[in-house]
Amino acid sequence: QKEVEQNSGPLSVPEGAIASLNCTYSDRGSQSFFWYRQYSGKSPELIMFIYSNGDKEDGRFTAQLNKASQYVSLLIRDSQPSDSATYLCAVNTKDSNYQLIWGAGTKLIIKP
Amino acid sequence: EPEVTQTPSHQVTQMGQEVILRCVPISNHLYFYWYRQILGQKVEFLVSFYNNEISEKSEIFDDQFSVERPDGSNFTLKIRSTKLEDSAMYFCASKRDRNTEAFFGQGTRLTVV
Repeated sequence: QKEVEQNSGPLSVPEGAIASLNCTYSDRGSQSFFWYRQYSGKSPELIMFIYSNGDKEDGRFTAQLNKASQYVSLLIRDSQPSDSATYLCAVNTKDSNYQLIWGAGTKLIIKP
Repeated sequence: EPEVTQTPSHQVTQMGQEVILRCVPISNHLYFYWYRQILGQKVEFLVSFYNNEISEKSEIFDDQFSVERPDGSNFTLKIRSTKLEDSAMYFCASKRDRNTEAFFGQGTRLTVV
């Protein structure tokens, strides 16, 4: 059973601080990793994707991948109240025919 | 910017009725998916579709579900005889290639009464 685990939260972060979201996955064959943001009642919206070990930065967002430890994280710098949402980690694996395996999501609350 | 579109945005149906949820994937994408999300729960995979056939389906996708790509643009999910527990948000997604990111439509909120 391939699993993606996330702390459900809520994670409360003061405005302007760095929010750190973590995700672990069980399948070592996982090949690509995605962070989606989901506002209540809305569809998942892609924030970042990462394929290789290391860091990938896009604006205020940084995705970090460590395949040896099987974790992927998302850092949000200068957190804004509009960043308050549920962040979903999703993983593509060849064995699952490349369909996304989803974590349950971490609810992030940015406090003004 | 190209996007996945879904209709209707909200569907209310009586238990036992058939519903068809419609999706128009991004035009140059080849892989299509349906997911559902029951309120407060995680996103669940239903089915993937490639080259005009189902490539994978989950345990949820039983005989009451079917998918079709009736023409070059639409991708539909049919639920033959809806049950109360089918009430959920249904998301369509498409990918350009199998290992690339999936783009989601805005979802159809299905309410079975």
